[in-house]
Amino acid sequence: AQRVTQPEKLLSVFKGAPVELKCNYSYSGSPELFWYVQYSRQRLQLLLRHISRESIKGFTADLNKGETSFHLKKPFAQEEDSAMYYCALSGVSGSRLTFGEGTQLTVNP
Amino acid sequence: DGGITQSPKYLFRKEGQNVTLSCEQNLNHDAMYWYRQDPGQGLRLIYYSQIVNDFQKGDIAEGYSVSREKKESFPLTVTSAQKNPTAFYLCASSIQSGLAGANEQFFGPGTRLTVL
Repeated sequence: AQRVTQPEKLLSVFKGAPVELKCNYSYSGSPELFWYVQYSRQRLQLLLRHISRESIKGFTADLNKGETSFHLKKPFAQEEDSAMYYCALSGVSGSRLTFGEGTQLTVNP
Repeated sequence: DGGITQSPKYLFRKEGQNVTLSCEQNLNHDAMYWYRQDPGQGLRLIYYSQIVNDFQKGDIAEGYSVSREKKESFPLTVTSAQKNPTAFYLCASSIQSGLAGANEQFFGPGTRLTVL
């Protein structure tokens, strides 16, 4: 079975501070990990995926297979980063995604 | 916004009634999905379909039914057997399994269902 855990339901930081949204997973094979974001009044959309190894909007995430984690990080948070963030896992290409519970990030001015 | 549309945006239902939520996509995607979004519980998969005329149960299929008669359409019926149907429902689609990028799912705007 595959499972994704986001331990923080709410996270609040000040503008310019570093932010880290935690994601842990359990899966017996080689997972594919994603971060999705939902801004207020907008659709859920893909932020980044681990195989791309990109930085999107200043966010990065590294897959740590030893710790089974895929934490999302940004060195300097901006107010426009305030949103709901979901970590998701897929076990096999094209198969279903399993989502975490989500973390609501608020960046205060 | 185009791509995936869901209707209606808001839906009210009396207890004991079935109701159907619409999901249409013009992205030529093979796979489509239905999720339920509840506060503090993330997105939970109800049903998914990877090809026309075929679909599989997700984690919380009880009380729901789907059909996939056309590639573009994947309607979800919430039946009276669903004990707690009030929720926000999201539809998504993705390209064919096995191809690069197959797992990126594109989401619709959602339908908020309230049972009165």
